[in-house]
Amino acid sequence: NAGVTQTPKFQVLKTGQSMTLQCAQDMNHEYMSWYRQDPGMGLRLIHYSVGAGITDQGEVPNGYNVSRSTTEDFPLRLLSAAPSQTSVYFCASSPIWGANTEAFFGQGTRLTVV
Amino acid sequence: AQSVTQLDSHVSVSEGTPVLLRCNYSSSYSPSLFWYVQHPNKGLQLLLKYTSAATLVKGINGFEAEFKKSETSFHLTKPSAHMSDAAEYFCVVSEGGSYIPTFGRGTSLIVHP
Repeated sequence: NAGVTQTPKFQVLKTGQSMTLQCAQDMNHEYMSWYRQDPGMGLRLIHYSVGAGITDQGEVPNGYNVSRSTTEDFPLRLLSAAPSQTSVYFCASSPIWGANTEAFFGQGTRLTVV
Repeated sequence: AQSVTQLDSHVSVSEGTPVLLRCNYSSSYSPSLFWYVQHPNKGLQLLLKYTSAATLVKGINGFEAEFKKSETSFHLTKPSAHMSDAAEYFCVVSEGGSYIPTFGRGTSLIVHP
């Protein structure tokens, strides 16, 4: 059981470049989300989706786009990378839209923008 | 609105001594509360969760937490620390009817031999 798979694990970008962070889950979860983790800041929600075709913004959405064409995949796009986007990115999924469920996390993508 | 405060950014203990990681929360509705652990360069793993059943919640690896509504707290404890417990711990709150959780800023647990 693969769970939540993120690729790549590491990435270095130059300022202004674009890229897509991939996230796939094989648990048939409706809810998926993207977080960034910065030292001393905990995890902050970037975007989330409650099902295929439905996405919404989280706390820190600027500079990022998402789409959800299938239940399994939830890619995160950086449109024009900036040094402030240097961070560790986590994708998470959970079974339903509700408060009593836990989230399952991927292993993270460590992104450096130079 | 929901919020969570982890009262210590770092906690240092000796192996074999008790662990206490403190978490206070604020929620307008009946909250669900979670503790996650993150080992270095790894993703987050669920330790335990409170979802309005028993107030004392037991988790994996000997950890437990007690939900105290009067104190709005959900502190994480373990009777005896092990070297493998050294990690970052996150307290998370999610209000009833919504799964947009709020994460605390994390507590780094350091375990000395």
